Amino acid sequence: GENVEQHPSTLSVQEGDSAVIKCTYSDSASNYFPWYKQELGKRPQLIIDIRSNVGEKKDQRIAVTLNKTAKHFSLHITETQPEDSAVYFCAATTEVDSSYKLIFGSGTRLLVRP
Amino acid sequence: AAGVIQSPRHLIKEKRETATLKCYPIPRHDTVYWYQQGPGQDPQFLISFYEKMQSDKGSIPDRFSAQQFSDYHSELNMSSLELGDSALYFCASSLSGRTVLTYGYTFGSGTRLTVV
Repeated sequence: GENVEQHPSTLSVQEGDSAVIKCTYSDSASNYFPWYKQELGKRPQLIIDIRSNVGEKKDQRIAVTLNKTAKHFSLHITETQPEDSAVYFCAATTEVDSSYKLIFGSGTRLLVRP
Repeated sequence: AAGVIQSPRHLIKEKRETATLKCYPIPRHDTVYWYQQGPGQDPQFLISFYEKMQSDKGSIPDRFSAQQFSDYHSELNMSSLELGDSALYFCASSLSGRTVLTYGYTFGSGTRLTVV
């Protein structure tokens, strides 16, 4: 089955700096890669996603890149702000009988220091 | 806009008791997914339903069962509760098939189950 690895597990940056979180996946059939931000005790919130037919996507300060050959995808946050502090999860999905279950990475705890 | 509604928000049960969690998907969404998230862990896929039929199954214990009803809401039934079942349980809904690649998932606010 699919396996998603995420690094680093914790990341501390100064406000205004950039943060990069990296994930690798195992199933070459995976075709959808969302990133979620989760604050303590709250639901995962989708911040950006990318489909397998796209190499890069950007939304203001957030960007995601995908390398299908290497089975890597990364989240880039620029000009970080204290409110970006949260746990970030990458995920990958593969279709099984019209079901697109998400396999999550282990999460990265991002701390943005004021 | 309507979101995914989960009830109850919090639930405290004793060991060996049963619990029922409910999920009401976004209107017109026909696919429901259940995830379990233990403390400090990533969400783990339990089970999914499409058009009231189970479509995929993950690491769901035999003590748990779930179903999707004719109005597309879903219930997760948990019996013989154990301390290790304490977790956040999230439900997510989507439109069926490849539309999820366009519109993504929407998660509910979750049910925090505490087993004492």
